Amino acid sequence: AQSVTQLGSHVSVSEGALVLLRCNYSSSVPPYLFWYVQYPNQGLQLLLKYTTGATLVKGINGFEAEFKKSETSFHLTKPSAHMSDAAEYFCAVSARRGNTGKLIFGQGTTLQVKP
Amino acid sequence: NAGVTQTPKFQVLKTGQSMTLQCAQDMNHEYMSWYRQDPGMGLRLIHYSVGAGITDQGEVPNGYNVSRSTTEDFPLRLLSAAPSQTSVYFCASRRTTGQGDTQYFGPGTRLTVL
Repeated sequence: AQSVTQLGSHVSVSEGALVLLRCNYSSSVPPYLFWYVQYPNQGLQLLLKYTTGATLVKGINGFEAEFKKSETSFHLTKPSAHMSDAAEYFCAVSARRGNTGKLIFGQGTTLQVKP
Repeated sequence: NAGVTQTPKFQVLKTGQSMTLQCAQDMNHEYMSWYRQDPGMGLRLIHYSVGAGITDQGEVPNGYNVSRSTTEDFPLRLLSAAPSQTSVYFCASRRTTGQGDTQYFGPGTRLTVL
C-alpha cells in the first residue's frame, strides 16, 4: 500500500532563508507526486507535480522539487522565503495504475515565516 | 470559469440530522471526488466518481452517500450526522481519469456536529 510521510509538522524560517519541506513516499512502483499549498481558510492549490521526464520540477511562486527514486523522496524547496509563503503544505501521491484518482496525502507541514 | 464551487461554507448540525453538501464544477471534468480534512491526518478520500452515473467508495465512506446525475454536480449526503463527522470537507475535480492529471479543489465546507 502507498503512504506518504512529511517530516516535521511545523517548520519555521526567517524571511529570505531557504525553505525545505521534506516528503518521502512508500510505493512498490514510483507514483505520480504532487505538492499542494493551503492558505488559511482556503482550498488546496497545486504548486507542482512530477509525472515523467525531468526529475527537477519547477512550480509556481518560485518553488521546486526533485524526485529522487533511490531515496523515495520528493522534497520541496524555495531559495528565499517570503512572508506570503506562510501556509500549510501537503505532499500527495497517486498510483500510476488504476483509475480511482485517489490522492494519498501526507499529514501536512505548516510553514511559518518570521520577519 | 468559476472552477469548483461548494455550498455552504459553514454548517452546524445536531447529532442525527441529515444534510447535503453541494459541489459543482463548470470545467466539464470527468472525475470528481470528496475529501475530509482533519488535523494531523491530511485529507482522506470519502467517495469519488469517474463520470455521470458512476460512483465508488474511497477510504472513509461510512455515513456518507453520493450520486452523480450530471457531469457538473456531485453532492455529498450525510444521512445521520455524528460528532465524528465534524471536519472540513473538500470537493475536487479532474479533467480526466488519468492518475497524473491535476485535481482542482473547492474552497471547502466547515461542518460542526454537536
